[in-house]
Amino acid sequence: EVQLLDSGGGLVQPGGSLRLSCVASGFTFSNYAMAWVRQAPGKGLEWVSSISAGGTTTYHADSVKGRFTISRDNSKNTLYLQMKSLRAEDTAVYYCAKGQYTSGPFDPWGQGTLVTVSS
Amino acid sequence: EIVLTQSPATLSLSPGERATLSCRASQSVTSYLAWYQQKPGQAPRLLIYDASNRATGVPARFSGSGSGTDFTLTISSLEPEDFAVYYCQQRSNWPLTFGGGTKVEIK
Repeated sequence: EVQLLDSGGGLVQPGGSLRLSCVASGFTFSNYAMAWVRQAPGKGLEWVSSISAGGTTTYHADSVKGRFTISRDNSKNTLYLQMKSLRAEDTAVYYCAKGQYTSGPFDPWGQGTLVTVSS
Repeated sequence: EIVLTQSPATLSLSPGERATLSCRASQSVTSYLAWYQQKPGQAPRLLIYDASNRATGVPARFSGSGSGTDFTLTISSLEPEDFAVYYCQQRSNWPLTFGGGTKVEIK
């Protein structure tokens, strides 16, 4: 069974940093693109970042470019999202997702991890 | 950036009825459109990819159609578990974008 376990969320002050992790199992992680998608409380879905299977190609939304970095360690079956200079508007549940391509479609998704940016 | 507009925002229907959800793109996405279902407190689930292909394990009552700028998700006969929020997503151009969602609620 394919499983994605997101973790690393929490409460952080504006301007702070946080690193999210997503541990994958049940498939050959190194063969698939991965992505992060977020959802602010009570709002819709917003794509954040994508990374190719080998990790050589990454894409980021303009809203996070220069502040967030997606990466992966295929030896550990783990996806990361390094977030810095966090803002209140980054408050959201962050989901990792397995992609057929870097652009999707995304299936399945992790259970999500909540990031709250507040003083 | 390609904007996806979903309509209606809310659809109030009874179990057994047919649901028709629309997703319109601000420019052509060819057939690179997916549909996801999200229930409260849960992660989204892929239903349809590339406009009309059902994902693994998705019941046949879900179908997708369309190309270019106009797309439709149809649920032929609503089951109690189908009441949820549905999102479309385009993968034709960067940045990837999602529609604002359609909530299918019990009438």
